[in-house]
Amino acid sequence: DQQVKQNSPSLSVQEGRISILNCDYTNSMFDYFLWYKKYPAEGPTFLISISSIKDKNEDGRFTVFLNKSAKHLSLHIVPSQPGDSAVYFCADLSTGRRALTFGSGTRLQVQP
Amino acid sequence: DGGITQSPKYLFRKEGQNVTLSCEQNLNHDAMYWYRQDPGQGLRLIYYSQIVNDFQKGDIAEGYSVSREKKESFPLTVTSAQKNPTAFYLCASSATGDNQPQHFGDGTRLSIL
Repeated sequence: DQQVKQNSPSLSVQEGRISILNCDYTNSMFDYFLWYKKYPAEGPTFLISISSIKDKNEDGRFTVFLNKSAKHLSLHIVPSQPGDSAVYFCADLSTGRRALTFGSGTRLQVQP
Repeated sequence: DGGITQSPKYLFRKEGQNVTLSCEQNLNHDAMYWYRQDPGQGLRLIYYSQIVNDFQKGDIAEGYSVSREKKESFPLTVTSAQKNPTAFYLCASSATGDNQPQHFGDGTRLSIL
């Protein structure tokens, strides 16, 4: 079974600094990783994605890095803003499975 | 505006009752999904549908049922067979094709009285 793990349940950073959220996966067959941001009592909002043919994808303040040999991806937010405070989920959309497999989430708190 | 609408936002159920959660989308997406979120956990897949009149069980389908009679609608019924139904339920949709992100509604929180 494919698994997606976020080993840090929470992260606190100062406004203006970099936030780095990490995610590990176990299944080597994948097509597409996504990061979602979620506020309480709301649905997740799609942030950024990366496909298996790339090792980096950037969109404004958000950059996702993929290390295939380590089966690891990370989301960098720079500079961090208080409005970035939310729970961040990584998710995997792998070959043959038509729905997402989610990690357990990391709660980011950006201190003003 | 295009989007996914889930209703109601909060729902209470008595034990032994079935209850249906609504999910409607006007994004013209073929695929729709239901997930469940419990505190401190990620989202787990209940059911998904790639096309009208077809749907597949996800990882935790027991005690749930769905229908997909229209492209825009994918209602989820939580039956009395679901022993722990209290959770936050999220509906999503996506376009067909490779590498299409799923877009989510704002969820329904179901509680047992």
